Amino acid sequence: EVQLVQSGAEVKKPGESLKISCETSGYSFPSYWIGWVRQMPGKGLEWMGTIYPGDSDTKYSPSFQGQVTISADKSINTAYLQWSSLKASDTAIYYCARLRIAAAGASFAHWGQGTLVTVSS
Amino acid sequence: DIQMTQSPSTLSAFVGDRVTITCRASQSITTWLAWYQHKPGEAPKLLIYRASSLQSGVPSRFSGSGFGTEFILTISSLQPEDFATYYCQQYDSLSWTFGQGTKVEVK
Repeated sequence: EVQLVQSGAEVKKPGESLKISCETSGYSFPSYWIGWVRQMPGKGLEWMGTIYPGDSDTKYSPSFQGQVTISADKSINTAYLQWSSLKASDTAIYYCARLRIAAAGASFAHWGQGTLVTVSS
Repeated sequence: DIQMTQSPSTLSAFVGDRVTITCRASQSITTWLAWYQHKPGEAPKLLIYRASSLQSGVPSRFSGSGFGTEFILTISSLQPEDFATYYCQQYDSLSWTFGQGTKVEVK
């Protein structure tokens, strides 16, 4: 069974750094693209970026390029989303999600449970 | 970037109603279109991929159609568990874009 388990909720202050994780199991981690999706309070879903763990090829939405860093560690089947300096506007739920098939042109069929990030002074 | 526009933004319906949601792409995406259901406190759920293929385990009352720039999600007979927000999503050339969402609420 494919599983994506995300790290727990975080409360941070503006300017702090943060790295959240998405631990996967039940499939070949290097072979499937994993994406990150943001949902701000009361808003819709936004695609942030996607990584291919096999070679760490990463694609970012123009809206998030330079704002976050997506990475993956094949040795522990885990993907990451990180910020170097958080802003209050980063307050949101963040989901990781795996593509349905081992090909780039696909939808997100498997999702993590979401990580709530709250940034407040 | 390809933009996705859903209509309506909110839809009020009764249990048993036939419901349709429209999604338009700013340029042709052939059939690279998915539909998701999202409930508060839960992860989004893939319903339809490649515009019209039903994801495994999804009830057959959900169906998708369309090609190019216009797509439709249909719920043939709305059930109580179907009240949620629905998103379309295009996936083209390693870029994904969601529509703004359609909230289906109780009339």
